[in-house]
Amino acid sequence: EDKVVQSPLSLVVHEGDTVTLNCSYEVTNFRSLLWYKQEKKAPTFLFMLTSSGIEKKSGRLSSILDKKELFSILNITATQTGDSAIYLCAVDAGGTSYGKLTFGQGTILTVHP
Amino acid sequence: GAGVSQSPRYKVAKRGQDVALRCDPISGHVSLFWYQQALGQGPEFLTYFQNEAQLDKSGLPSDRFFAERPEGSVSTLKIQRTQQEDSAVYLCASSLGLGRGHTDTQYFGPGTRLTVL
Repeated sequence: EDKVVQSPLSLVVHEGDTVTLNCSYEVTNFRSLLWYKQEKKAPTFLFMLTSSGIEKKSGRLSSILDKKELFSILNITATQTGDSAIYLCAVDAGGTSYGKLTFGQGTILTVHP
Repeated sequence: GAGVSQSPRYKVAKRGQDVALRCDPISGHVSLFWYQQALGQGPEFLTYFQNEAQLDKSGLPSDRFFAERPEGSVSTLKIQRTQQEDSAVYLCASSLGLGRGHTDTQYFGPGTRLTVL
């Protein structure tokens, strides 16, 4: 059975701190890994990773994939209160042509002023 | 529209009632997904449509759950005889549906929070 595990489950930091969120997976026929940010509304897309070792960056957020060790990390530097959210990791296990996603449990990030 | 919309945003039902949840995908998106997100958990796949065809319903938890997308655009998820364990956020997502061996980004709606009393 496909499995995605995120850690930590929750994290409390202060503004300006740097955080690293982890996502490990055990799936057949890996195709891609995606990160989403979920506030009190729609999960919003952050990154899609398909190749090992290539960092994706967007402002203060960055992510990288290790397909040998089967994990990904999401880094957020200089955190702000607006970064407080649930961060979801999902994997397209490639079992279907349409990209059914298997999600992790999510990491709840709280950034205090 | 600009994004995926869902309605209602909140629904409270008494146990045993039927409910219908609506999803308006991004215009032109071929693929539509429904997910169920229980409190403190990640979303779990329920069902998938390619245009009007329901190609995968392997995640529907029971035969009380039914989904349709009759004209290949708007979709409705219906839950009959609701139970307390159906309480969750129901998320809809759509994607271009290009397939061909790569992942299309799924764009999510805000969800419908269903509470069954």
